[in-house]
Amino acid sequence: TQLLEQSPQFLSIQEGENLTVYCNSSSVFSSLQWYRQEPGEGPVLLVTVVTGGEVKKLKRLTFQFGDARKDSSLHITAAQPGDTGLYLCAGSRTYSGAGSYQLTFGKGTKLSVIP
Amino acid sequence: DAGITQSPRHKVTETGTPVTLRCHQTENHRYMYWYRQDPGHGLRLIHYSYGVKDTDKGEVSDGYSVSRSKTEDFLLTLESATSSQTSVYFCAMGRTGELFFGEGSRLTVL
Repeated sequence: TQLLEQSPQFLSIQEGENLTVYCNSSSVFSSLQWYRQEPGEGPVLLVTVVTGGEVKKLKRLTFQFGDARKDSSLHITAAQPGDTGLYLCAGSRTYSGAGSYQLTFGKGTKLSVIP
Repeated sequence: DAGITQSPRHKVTETGTPVTLRCHQTENHRYMYWYRQDPGHGLRLIHYSYGVKDTDKGEVSDGYSVSRSKTEDFLLTLESATSSQTSVYFCAMGRTGELFFGEGSRLTVL
């Protein structure tokens, strides 16, 4: 069962354009993370959002957590070729006990920014 | 200096042979994880560890075993590799969703 749906799966845009990618679920998460992965490397954490309605900015990247903590979006302003990569969202659920763990990854949005 | 490293980075093996992937971290993190990443499936958790000799299964644990005899090392073993285990394997450390990943180990099973 795919608990986190990311859209679009692929996005190709020109340098300087704006874009938004989405991460949606029917489940509530205690927190949500966004990662970026470049070819041949592991994912790198960009941000964590915890509170419903929270907005975080990281230079030209704006992350928002939905009010109900079921969805999130990533907006990039004036995209640059260096933004090219696979963007992954991941949702955490509250766990109990030392061994319990639940983190679900979306399948990702592959972004290409053309110079 | 990377806080988490994987070895080998690339491996080609034959069906039925055992394979061990190693993950080494220098951050003294209690929690470590093994994921596999496949087209169309994204990142899926194989096993994780919450301390020395404390491990638990993830969603795709069949055919895999793990061991953690020291805080810094987390080993993933395929007892008898199959073609369906051809994948890119990532080790990670951290907690509550904020993970630090290794660079990955690309495994091809012929």
